[in-house]
Amino acid sequence: SQQGEEDPQALSIQEGENATMNCSYKTSINNLQWYRQNSGRGLVHLILIRSNEREKHSGRLRVTLDTSKKSSSLLITASRAADTASYFCATDLSGYSTLTFGKGTMLLVSP
Amino acid sequence: DVKVTQSSRYLVKRTGEKVFLECVQDMDHENMFWYRQDPGLGLRLIYFSYDVKMKEKGDIPEGYSVSREKKERFSLILESASTNQTSMYLCASTPLRTSGPLYYNEQFFGPGTRLTVL
Repeated sequence: SQQGEEDPQALSIQEGENATMNCSYKTSINNLQWYRQNSGRGLVHLILIRSNEREKHSGRLRVTLDTSKKSSSLLITASRAADTASYFCATDLSGYSTLTFGKGTMLLVSP
Repeated sequence: DVKVTQSSRYLVKRTGEKVFLECVQDMDHENMFWYRQDPGLGLRLIYFSYDVKMKEKGDIPEGYSVSREKKERFSLILESASTNQTSMYLCASTPLRTSGPLYYNEQFFGPGTRLTVL
């Protein structure tokens, strides 16, 4: 089934720097969501952006959506060591409850 | 606070054993999901349920079955465990929450069960 694809697969930065990760998908969506997963744990929902929205903010997170390019980006500003985690995008294709997850970007933030 | 719990964090079973993974949510959510997560493959949907006693196949249902007898509990069953079912299993739930024409379907995950089949 269709999947979002995150890019890069891995990202390593210093504390205080910004981290940007991207997600591309293949078909029309109702919404796109970003999740974080700390090592060996479950996923935590971060933010949801709808297909008619272009940008959304939540604290240090900024998400953009370009439906013409079928892509989204997640920006984490002023990164902290605690932001070290894997980040997944998930697309809502059906307008119901199922989501399709990408393979994730592993972010390492060094002190 | 929203909570999804899974019966075990780590589980070791032998090939051919019947394995039960339990998931409980306390949020009165209608929809519940079982995923498996493998390195390089991301999360793949095994089964989901949108109501008590209802179930739908996901992308990789082979070798698995599910049971939902009560709204808060969703069980994943490996009828005869095999080594290729060694994986991290994640349970999630989501409400059918709407606000006018908008709906919200963010998923709430449990901590995961790392299953090893020897």
